[in-house]
Amino acid sequence: GAVVSQHPSRVICKSGTSVKIECRSLDFQATTMFWYRQFPKKSLMLMATSNEGSKATYEQGVEKDKFLINHASLTLSTLTVTSAHPEDSSFYICSATTGQGRNTIYFGEGSWLTVV
Amino acid sequence: AQSVAQPEDQVNVAEGNPLTVKCTYSVSGNPYLFWYVQYPNRGLQFLLKYITGDNLVKGSYGFEAEFNKSQTSFHLKKPSALVSDSALYFCAVRDISASKIIFGSGTRLSIRP
Repeated sequence: GAVVSQHPSRVICKSGTSVKIECRSLDFQATTMFWYRQFPKKSLMLMATSNEGSKATYEQGVEKDKFLINHASLTLSTLTVTSAHPEDSSFYICSATTGQGRNTIYFGEGSWLTVV
Repeated sequence: AQSVAQPEDQVNVAEGNPLTVKCTYSVSGNPYLFWYVQYPNRGLQFLLKYITGDNLVKGSYGFEAEFNKSQTSFHLKKPSALVSDSALYFCAVRDISASKIIFGSGTRLSIRP
């Protein structure tokens, strides 16, 4: 199947700093990418949907100024957690697809963010 | 609005026995249904999907799922469980015209030797 690469897999940052997580589709062009947050032993919470070249659509309750999402090309989307706080520590997963409906959505391996 | 429910938080099965992980869904039109598996500290791996056609869908690692429109269900099954099948399983639904995919709460499958 299609491959989605996510980097870094683990990152530790100091409280108040910003950290960027990259999501790349390696062998297909991802018109749409999604960012999820997963708490321990919980399901995935959709944070935002991004389409290449346009602004991301954020889910209710997700601060767009805190979680900056950029989808500048058909193979790359980035999530930047700005002014990180310990409560932002979580497992962040990106996913990518070539289109709507029947198209399979492929997931990255996830990124563990720890804010100290 | 679309939604998906996984009524069981955990399913325990002995190795070699058949397993079923339940999923029901709700969409306004025809659904696209997916199953994903997540191993510890990993992303999600695609197992199978139902788009149209045969109600029984076969996927990776010997898993299959049966689409039942009247019961709005898409249960995941495997005839003979392996210890290595132990993981977290997510059912998901995507509306025919929708971009985003909605996940169930997940079911932890535990296979004992």
